[in-house]
Amino acid sequence: DAEITQSPRHKITETGRQVTLACHQTWNHNNMFWYRQDLGHGLRLIHYSYGVQDTNKGEVSDGYSVSRSNTEDLPLTLESAASSQTSVYFCASSASGRRANTDTQYFGPGTRLTVL
Amino acid sequence: AQKVTQAQTEISVVEKEDVTLDCVYETRDTTYYLFWYKQPPSGELVFLIRRNSFDEQNEISGRYSWNFQKSTSSFNFTITASQVVDSAVYFCALSEENFGNEKLTFGTGTRLTIIP
Repeated sequence: DAEITQSPRHKITETGRQVTLACHQTWNHNNMFWYRQDLGHGLRLIHYSYGVQDTNKGEVSDGYSVSRSNTEDLPLTLESAASSQTSVYFCASSASGRRANTDTQYFGPGTRLTVL
Repeated sequence: AQKVTQAQTEISVVEKEDVTLDCVYETRDTTYYLFWYKQPPSGELVFLIRRNSFDEQNEISGRYSWNFQKSTSSFNFTITASQVVDSAVYFCALSEENFGNEKLTFGTGTRLTIIP
């Protein structure tokens, strides 16, 4: 069955280190998204991509970067991890073209990141 | 700017009672989409329903029903004869069909606890 996976599921790192969270989907979806989930804020969009070589900043993109070299993967990189980036990170994907967010997004299981 | 408000932070009901989760949204677009997601204790986000702004018909799926009212900008979710497995955090979300502002905005969620 097609699915969306994230790795690692749990990660502890130190302030200042570079961290990369992986997201892989096998639905052949064009669109992929990264969110963070924090108490009192719900889910907030970090970055998104409508296809290979396309990336866009979301609501809370500072300190994060993404790259899209193929359809299946959208890795999220924290360039220099900060304690404020301790959160649960969700990757999502949706099927179609440009008006991506009007399609249903399907979510991965999440990655719990702790920055000490 | 688009906004989703879930005023009920936490709700507890006894099993078999009916419960309604409120969702109020703000948007300037005439075309938009509303979603509900469920996040059980295991942490994943499960898609429940997607509704576009031109379809105001209420929808029923088993014990779940949704009441969409454009006049009050609300998209409420009712669980009939609640069960312990319904215990979860429920998120309402909104996206606008507005090129250049394509993002899914989530409410802060309602934590529902079903007491056996």
